[in-house]
Amino acid sequence: DVKVTQSSRYLVKRTGEKVFLECVQDMDHENMFWYRQDPGLGLRLIYFSYDVKMKEKGDIPEGYSVSREKKERFSLILESASTNQTSMYLCASSLQTANYGYTFGSGTRLTVV
Amino acid sequence: QQPVQSPQAVILREGEDAVINCSSSKALYSVHWYRQKHGEAPVFLMILLKGGEQKGHEKISASFNEKKQQSSLYLTASQLSYSGTYFCGTLRPGKLIFGQGTTLQVKP
Repeated sequence: DVKVTQSSRYLVKRTGEKVFLECVQDMDHENMFWYRQDPGLGLRLIYFSYDVKMKEKGDIPEGYSVSREKKERFSLILESASTNQTSMYLCASSLQTANYGYTFGSGTRLTVV
Repeated sequence: QQPVQSPQAVILREGEDAVINCSSSKALYSVHWYRQKHGEAPVFLMILLKGGEQKGHEKISASFNEKKQQSSLYLTASQLSYSGTYFCGTLRPGKLIFGQGTTLQVKP
C-alpha cells in the first residue's frame, strides 16, 4: 500500500523555536507538497518541489522554508515558530504528470505556545 | 486565488442526494475532488478534465463546465460512509489550489 508518512501526529512547540516537520513517501513520486489546513480556509499551499534540491513557493510561504535532499523526503521548516503558525500541516506527493491524484499524509497538528 | 465551494455545509438523511459546487474565477483546465474524514488524510476521488467529461466513483459522480468555470460533485443515494469534508482542487502550473471545503453529514 502506497504511503506518505509524516513523522509526528502532534507537536507542541514554544514561540521562537525552530521546528522541523518531516515527510517521506515510498511511491517514487517526483512532486511533493506542503499544505496547511485551517477551519474555513481549506488547504493552502506553502511550498512544493518538482525534484531533488528544487523548491517553489506556494501561496503562503512567509515564515517557512523547505528542504528536499532526497527524492523521497520533503521537510518543512519553521525558522522561528509563532502562534499564528498553529495549524494542521499536510504533506502530499504525486507523479509529475498533471492528471494524477495526490496522496496525502495523515497530517501533523502543530501547536505553538 | 482559491476556488469557491458551495454550500459550506450539508446535512442529509441516508438515501438522499446532494450536489457540491466548485467555482473558479480563472479558466479551469482540470479539477480534482477529495474527501477527508474526520482525523484522516484527504483521499483522492477523481479528476475532471477540460471537455466536460463526467466521471464516477461508487455512487459519486462529477461534471466539469468549462464555460461556467465550474465543477459539480453529485452524491447519489448517500450512505453514512459519505460523511466528511469534500475539497475541490483546481490545477495551476504544477500545483493544486484547493477550495475551502464542504462538510457533509449523513444521518441515519
